Amino acid sequence: KAGVTQTPRYLIKTRGQQVTLSCSPISGHRSVSWYQQTPGQGLQFLFEYFSETQRNKGNFPGRFSGRQFSNSRSEMNVSTLELGDSALYLCASRRAQSSYEQYFGPGTRLTVT
Amino acid sequence: GQQLNQSPQSMFIQEGEDVSMNCTSSSIFNTWLWYKQDPGEGPVLLIALYKAGELTSNGRLTAQFGITRKDSFLNISASIPSDVGIYFCAGSTGNQFYFGTGTSLTVIP
Repeated sequence: KAGVTQTPRYLIKTRGQQVTLSCSPISGHRSVSWYQQTPGQGLQFLFEYFSETQRNKGNFPGRFSGRQFSNSRSEMNVSTLELGDSALYLCASRRAQSSYEQYFGPGTRLTVT
Repeated sequence: GQQLNQSPQSMFIQEGEDVSMNCTSSSIFNTWLWYKQDPGEGPVLLIALYKAGELTSNGRLTAQFGITRKDSFLNISASIPSDVGIYFCAGSTGNQFYFGTGTSLTVIP
């Protein structure tokens, strides 16, 4: 069974631009969460989607948004990029919102210059 | 968001040695999970624990869910070079996941 996939794997953007990252969960998984990972802050929760609805949200500004499609695939968008947005963005899926096991994708490395 | 206290922060060990790391929280969790992350990759789930006091093994890895439900530890026996990486603990309430700060493991051949 294929794991969580994320595209693109690497991205370089300029301050002020916007970016969209994509995540395909494990087949049969309906919950998708997004995390930002940086050396200084560790893994920080962005938001979780289940059945196309945002169910939980972390403490990130409104520039960070997401959505989920009917096939459970999810996208994350960051507008007006700042240098501090440079990070590894990880997507994780689980079968249902109540499932305790969460599986991560390989991540998208975003560099903002 | 809440981060769990994970220790040690880093370890340098000789190949063949055993390794122990632990995670503590001020909150109670329903599940404890342990992940390993290689450079440039996402965390890979190693072990999931569901009951207080539970001891679970996965090959050379053994993890335990603390009786108080506020802590967990991970042991790696007879370490090998491919054990190198960052190990994260995670506690889950079912609603959200909270992560430790990671333990960086270096295995010296």
